[in-house]
Amino acid sequence: GAGVSQTPSNKVTEKGKYVELRCDPISGHTALYWYRQSLGQGPEFLIYFQGTGAADDSGLPNDRFFAVRPEGSVSTLKIQRTERGDSAVYLCASSLIDSGKYNEQFFGPGTRLTVL
Amino acid sequence: AQKVTQAQTEISVVEKEDVTLDCVYETRDTTYYLFWYKQPPSGELVFLIRRNSFDEQNEISGRYSWNFQKSTSSFNFTITASQVVDSAVYFCALSEAEESGTYKYIFGTGTRLKVLA
Repeated sequence: GAGVSQTPSNKVTEKGKYVELRCDPISGHTALYWYRQSLGQGPEFLIYFQGTGAADDSGLPNDRFFAVRPEGSVSTLKIQRTERGDSAVYLCASSLIDSGKYNEQFFGPGTRLTVL
Repeated sequence: AQKVTQAQTEISVVEKEDVTLDCVYETRDTTYYLFWYKQPPSGELVFLIRRNSFDEQNEISGRYSWNFQKSTSSFNFTITASQVVDSAVYFCALSEAEESGTYKYIFGTGTRLKVLA
């Protein structure tokens, strides 16, 4: 079956603009995660969805960042008033959460965001 | 606090050599999970292994093996008879079984492995 997909693969924008990044998780995966990976670093957690609700948004750096998952499948990460420091690869992952059983996360190819 | 340390930033080996990638973690929880992922030049993270805190058995999968030692909080990864295709950045990650059920990953900074022909 299809893996996690993310669009666009690359996004170049100007400082101050608004951007949306999309994630399509693996079908049937109820858990969805967003991470941000800066050059030479490991991915850093941003937000976690269980179904439609954001169960943990403790990793969002500030209120310019927001994410939604209105139907419990596709998710959109939204960044307002982008800054050069937002430049990074944004990774999406999904996993199957079974009661009492933890499963690994499957990652998408990422969206490389460049803020000029 | 949760933390994962991968002290080796970059390792270069010649093909067919064995190589061990180190991972040291910190956690206060008694229930947690450890992972290794491979990130080839294409950029997509590829899952390699999951280990829970109650299972200290070492694991071997082909040329890959993992050594989990709770006493030293380490979860090291060995590639035997390395190949050029093993060249990638390898990440170790920790996930705690939080009451909130987040299961978010805490990643190390990664080790870049270069296997030379």
